[in-house]
Amino acid sequence: AQSVTQLDSHVSVSEGTPVLLRCNYSSSYSPSLFWYVQHPNKGLQLLLKYTSAATLVKGINGFEAEFKKSETSFHLTKPSAHMSDAAEYFCVVSVTHNDMRFGAGTRLTVKP
Amino acid sequence: ETGVTQTPRHLVMGMTNKKSLKCEQHLGHNAMYWYKQSAKKPLELMFVYSLEERVENNSVPSRFSPECPNSSHLFLHLHTLQPEDSALYLCASSQGGGRYNEQFFGPGTRLTVL
Repeated sequence: AQSVTQLDSHVSVSEGTPVLLRCNYSSSYSPSLFWYVQHPNKGLQLLLKYTSAATLVKGINGFEAEFKKSETSFHLTKPSAHMSDAAEYFCVVSVTHNDMRFGAGTRLTVKP
Repeated sequence: ETGVTQTPRHLVMGMTNKKSLKCEQHLGHNAMYWYKQSAKKPLELMFVYSLEERVENNSVPSRFSPECPNSSHLFLHLHTLQPEDSALYLCASSQGGGRYNEQFFGPGTRLTVL
């Protein structure tokens, strides 16, 4: 069975400070892992994905995530938050395209 | 139009109504999905169509009925819904069935059942 746990339901940072959104996964197989972002009244947009090619994955808008097998983690980071980063972020684990499991989401608030 | 589009964006219906949600993808993908997004719950995969064939999901009530007439269009037919079915319904598409293939999402239909 596979699952994903987002450790924080809400993260608040100040503009210009680093962002850390935490995700732990559980999978019986070598997983594919994704981070999606959802802005209000919008669909989900892919930020980045891990496909076993490299453990440090760079995505759009300055985000990156590191796959750590020993810790079963795939945390999302960004060096400097921008106001436009305020949104809901979802960590996803996938074994097949029919079996993608979404985390409960982390709401990121960015204060001026 | 580009990407994945959904209509209508908002829908209010009574429990005895019949309505349909429409999704269209302009990406040349061959797999399409319906998801339900409820407040404070993870996204729930409802249905998958791959090469226009449906992958069953036994946990979805029969009051939801999907239809995929071709690889670009996906419908979700609704009848005799319950208030707890109020949610954001998201459509997505992907190319192929590989686990590395990301899904592209539409903006969703916000459904309210009175």
